[in-house]
Amino acid sequence: DTEVTQTPKHLVMGMTNKKSLKCEQHMGHRAMYWYKQKAKKPPELMFVYSYEKLSINESVPSRFSPECPNSSLLNLHLHALQPEDSALYLCASSQEGSYEKLFFGSGTQLSVL
Amino acid sequence: DQQVKQNSPSLSVQEGRISILNCDYTNSMFDYFLWYKKYPAEGPTFLISISSIKDKNEDGRFTVFLNKSAKHLSLHIVPSQPGDSAVYFCAASAHGTASKLTFGTGTRLQVTL
Repeated sequence: DTEVTQTPKHLVMGMTNKKSLKCEQHMGHRAMYWYKQKAKKPPELMFVYSYEKLSINESVPSRFSPECPNSSLLNLHLHALQPEDSALYLCASSQEGSYEKLFFGSGTQLSVL
Repeated sequence: DQQVKQNSPSLSVQEGRISILNCDYTNSMFDYFLWYKKYPAEGPTFLISISSIKDKNEDGRFTVFLNKSAKHLSLHIVPSQPGDSAVYFCAASAHGTASKLTFGTGTRLQVTL
């Protein structure tokens, strides 16, 4: 199994809603990532978890709250988002120390109204 | 400040010919470079990488060349196939920041029959 599965594929939410994005991998990878990608822009790193501990937070606003319940799961909790947060949110995983071979999920396309 | 730049947003090549995708970087601390390929509605997939101690790395139809003095790398695809049509992202990382990849803006390659 070489897949990273993200749900939902599409999400529309209002600025007062609370929602969560989910990511799952069963490759035994111990590093997991959240990236954000706006249209015609490169993916931007948001968070990195290493061995289920948050190791990198790229100064992301607190309305984005990551969670790593176990080594296979990664969540991104969303609350009070702004329209400018509309983007494709990509989850990725890698073997610790093999950051180059990131395995990406197909992403969640988020629209904030 | 875009540290990794792909100045050609799109490229069209005939099937069987060579595709050359270019990437420039400004951060002299970058010492590892990667190419990812992205199909619509899918996450990016790792294609090929090169360390700064090398100037060429080859994998089948794909070759990456690195010119450190010019801070330039290129991806050659020979021969190009219709299935190569995708968006190609160049990415780079600096020693000691293994989890942080900086992506370029991408080049959309169209291989025509």
